[in-house]
Amino acid sequence: KAGVTQTPRYLIKTRGQQVTLSCSPISGHRSVSWYQQTPGQGLQFLFEYFSETQRNKGNFPGRFSGRQFSNSRSEMNVSTLELGDSALYLCASSHRGGLNEQFFGPGTRLTVL
Amino acid sequence: AQTVTQSQPEMSVQEAETVTLSCTYDTSESDYYLFWYKQPPSRQMILVIRQEAYKQQNATENRFSVNFQKAAKSFSLKISDSQLGDAAMYFCAYRSALRETSGSRLTFGEGTQLTVNP
Repeated sequence: KAGVTQTPRYLIKTRGQQVTLSCSPISGHRSVSWYQQTPGQGLQFLFEYFSETQRNKGNFPGRFSGRQFSNSRSEMNVSTLELGDSALYLCASSHRGGLNEQFFGPGTRLTVL
Repeated sequence: AQTVTQSQPEMSVQEAETVTLSCTYDTSESDYYLFWYKQPPSRQMILVIRQEAYKQQNATENRFSVNFQKAAKSFSLKISDSQLGDAAMYFCAYRSALRETSGSRLTFGEGTQLTVNP
């Protein structure tokens, strides 16, 4: 079974631009969560989608948004990029809630210049 | 809101020795899950071990075991017979069992960088 895939793996953008990151979960998984990892703030939860609905949202500004498609693939979008948005963005998928293990993708490294 | 604290930013261990990583958490909930994740230099997060709060028995996965003290809100990870491949950043994480409000959301600690010396 293929793992969680994230594209692109690396991105360089400039301030003010917007960016879209993609995450394809493991086949059959309906829950997709996004996390931001930075040296200063650590791992922070962005949002979770389950069956195309946002189920939970972290404490991030409205510039961060996401969506999930009927095939469970998810995208997150960051508009009006700031230098502080430079981070590793991790996506995780699971079959559903409970103790079902979350499987993480390799991440997208975003650099904002 | 729940918080997770890892008070050891860095730890080191000799190959074949045993090391314990500490984690404490704060929550008002009675039912939840706790995890230890490993993040090697590749940045791929890998689940090491998990514990359900309602289970008193400590979880064990081969060389990895936990010491879960619910009253003290402590969840430490013991790695026995350390191997060079165990070198990584280790994160402790909390997840509420209240699926309706928290879903699959994980709250992570700051991480502990483990070095294994040959």
